[in-house]
Parts: sequence; structure tokens; C-alpha cells
Amino acid sequence: GENVEQHPSTLSVQEGDSAVIKCTYSDSASNYFPWYKQELGKGPQLIIDIRSNVGEKKDQRIAVTLNKTAKHFSLHITETQPEDSAVYFCAASDGGSQGNLIFGKGTKLSVKP
Amino acid sequence: KAGVTQTPRYLIKTRGQQVTLSCSPISGHRSVSWYQQTPGQGLQFLFEYFSETQRNKGNFPGRFSGRQFSNSRSEMNVSTLELGDSALYLCASSPGFGSGNTIYFGEGSWLTVV
Repeated sequence: GENVEQHPSTLSVQEGDSAVIKCTYSDSASNYFPWYKQELGKGPQLIIDIRSNVGEKKDQRIAVTLNKTAKHFSLHITETQPEDSAVYFCAASDGGSQGNLIFGKGTKLSVKP
Repeated sequence: KAGVTQTPRYLIKTRGQQVTLSCSPISGHRSVSWYQQTPGQGLQFLFEYFSETQRNKGNFPGRFSGRQFSNSRSEMNVSTLELGDSALYLCASSPGFGSGNTIYFGEGSWLTVV
């Protein structure tokens, strides 16, 4: 089955800097890669997603890139703000027809003012 | 549009008891999936329901079960609770079923087993 590795597990940046979180997946049949942000005491919130027929997608300060050949995808946050501090999860759809999501272990991002 | 609603938000149960958690999906969404979140194991898929039928199941023991009603609402049940079942249980809904569907999570139900 699918396996998703996420790095780093913790990331600390200064406000205004960029942050990059990387994930690798094992199943070449996976075709959907969402990113979720989870704040303390809340459920994960979808922030951006990408499908396997696209290499890059941007939404304001957030971008995701996908390299299907290398089986890895990354989240890029530019001009970080203190409110970006949260745990970020990547996920990949299980390559089977059901397509449930397999999640990475999460990255705790801290943005220092 | 209202989001995914889960009840109760917090509960404490004793080992050996059973618990039922409830989930109301986003209006118009027909698929409901459940995930367990723990610090050690992260987010793990429990099962998914679509049109009142379980379509997919994760690697959890039979003590974990669920169902979906005709209005797409869903419940999950855990019987004979163990200490290790303490976790955040997350419900997510999506418009359809199958690979590539975007899922939206609720706030979760925090279960503590003592």
C-alpha cells in the first residue's frame, strides 16, 4: 500500500521568511495530493491540493509542486506570518480505486515574530 | 454552507465501555470517512461510507464499526474500549466517492479512555 514520508517534523522560521515542507510517496498510481493545516484544538483544514496531471499550483502565498517521476511533492509558504504557525500534513491518495488518503506524520511550523 | 459537524466534541469513557460518535456532513456531500488521530500514529484511515454502504476500510479491529444513514449522516462505534483508543476521531465529508475526491474535516471528537 501507499506510504507517505514527510520532512522535517519541526520547522522554525522568522516572520517574512519562506518555509518548505517535503513529502515523498511510494505508490506511482497515486493521483491526488492535498495539504492540510491543523491549528491547536481544531480539525485539519485543506489549504491547497494538486492532481497528478499538474506540476505546480499557487494560491497567494502558498504553492505546491509535484514531481511524479521522483514521487515527491512540496509545500512552499512565502512571506510567513505568525498565523501560519500550525501543524501541516501532506497526504496522497491510495493508488487503488477507493482512493482514501494516506497522511504524512506532520510538520510543526513555528513562525517567530 | 455549514461545515462538517461532529458530536460530542469531548468525552471520557471507562475501559470496557462502548462509545458512539456522530457526524453530519456538509450539505450535499454523500461520502463520509472517519480517521483516528494520535500523537504516535498520526492520522489513520478507519472507514468510508457512501450511499449508506461501507466502501473502504482501514486496518483497525472489528471493535471499530460505523454506519451511514439515508441523509448521509454517519455514526461510528467503538466497543470494549481500550486505553489505546484515546484519540481525536475525525470525520470528513466529500461530494463523491473514489480516488481524488477532496475531503473536508470536522473539528473532531476527543475521546479519553480511563
